[in-house]
Amino acid sequence: DVKVTQSSRYLVKRTGEKVFLECVQDMDHENMFWYRQDPGLGLRLIYFSYDVKMKEKGDIPEGYSVSREKKERFSLILESASTNQTSMYLCASSPTLGGEPYNEQFFGPGTRLTVL
Amino acid sequence: RKEVEQDPGPFNVPEGATVAFNCTYSNSASQSFFWYRQDCRKEPKLLMSVYSSGNEDGRFTAQLNRASQYISLLIRDSKLSDSATYLCVANTGFQKLVFGTGTRLLVSP
Repeated sequence: DVKVTQSSRYLVKRTGEKVFLECVQDMDHENMFWYRQDPGLGLRLIYFSYDVKMKEKGDIPEGYSVSREKKERFSLILESASTNQTSMYLCASSPTLGGEPYNEQFFGPGTRLTVL
Repeated sequence: RKEVEQDPGPFNVPEGATVAFNCTYSNSASQSFFWYRQDCRKEPKLLMSVYSSGNEDGRFTAQLNRASQYISLLIRDSKLSDSATYLCVANTGFQKLVFGTGTRLLVSP
């Protein structure tokens, strides 16, 4: 079974803190993604990566950065946390098959971040 | 206008009923489509992919209408365990998947 793990299920931080969210997948997938999910807005893509050291902006990258130093690990960084970044953060990975990276995405359990 | 739109529901149905959800997408260049299921406080999981004219998997049937730019999900003989939020997803071809906000289904005894 594909497994995607995230470092924390629940996290509480203060405004202005630097926050690191870690994601690890064990299926050697090339592609990894970070989303946030908010009521009424659905899942929105923050950043994604097709390979080690590669990153691409998604729809809402402002206030976030990412790091992918190893294939299995994709980190999301909130440089200076703000209250409007309170959300559920979901990491996902997918394989590239036949040159197409948009196959089934496997999600981690999510991190519910609260910024006070 | 959202790229992928769904009726948020909830759809309340009794066990054994047939229920259908529709989803519309705005980008005519969208290449492929998926239905994901998300249980309360859980991560989304792929339910089924939707290709060309649609496909069936047991009690679930997905249809694609490119002319009208909508996809549908039909669930027959609903089970209590089908209660969840169903997410419509489009591959827009711009190197990303776009998720709808989901349709909530509640199946009652």
